[in-house]
Amino acid sequence: SQTIHQWPATLVQPVGSPLSLECTVEGTSNPNLYWYRQAAGRGLQLLFYSVGIGQISSEVPQNLSASRPQDRQFILSSKKLLLSDSGFYLCAWVRWTGNTEAFFGQGTRLTVV
Amino acid sequence: AQKVTQAQTEISVVEKEDVTLDCVYETRDTTYYLFWYKQPPSGELVFLIRRNSFDEQNEISGRYSWNFQKSTSSFNFTITASQVVDSAVYFCALSEAHNNAGNMLTFGGGTRLMVKP
Repeated sequence: SQTIHQWPATLVQPVGSPLSLECTVEGTSNPNLYWYRQAAGRGLQLLFYSVGIGQISSEVPQNLSASRPQDRQFILSSKKLLLSDSGFYLCAWVRWTGNTEAFFGQGTRLTVV
Repeated sequence: AQKVTQAQTEISVVEKEDVTLDCVYETRDTTYYLFWYKQPPSGELVFLIRRNSFDEQNEISGRYSWNFQKSTSSFNFTITASQVVDSAVYFCALSEAHNNAGNMLTFGGGTRLMVKP
């Protein structure tokens, strides 16, 4: 079956520290993967997407970066966190099988202090 | 470019009232998919429904119903006889079939529904 794993679930990091959030999927190959962010009380904003290994597209300029080192692995990173990076981060896998299906991770609640 | 608008940022109702959450979308694609998700306080997204652009039939699932109207580019969600457990943020989303970003989902801003006992 198809599943998507995202960790950690919660994270408290000081300003200026690095960040690494990991997302992995199971039960598929060559998935389209996405990172979304939800600031407090706001909607879901697409940050990055990847349609294949090493292929990263950024939707908005920011302090974050993404990488796709393996087919089913998608990583969100930052070298130095800002207070404004606080939020809820969701990894998603979208596929088309005659219909568009979307699967979401459990999310990571990041607080930068 | 695809866009989803949920004009209602917050709705408050009393239990047992009916409530409709509005969703208006924009797309140039002729094939697209519309979604509704529920986000409880824990944060995860709970899938409620998916509808493709060729199926304008309204759908009912228990107390939930959806009204899809291509003429007005709307996909509204109604909860009948609301309950406290319905309190959550609800997101409408759109995915175009012919999108360079691999069928990405574009979300509306969300509507926070508060059902009071």
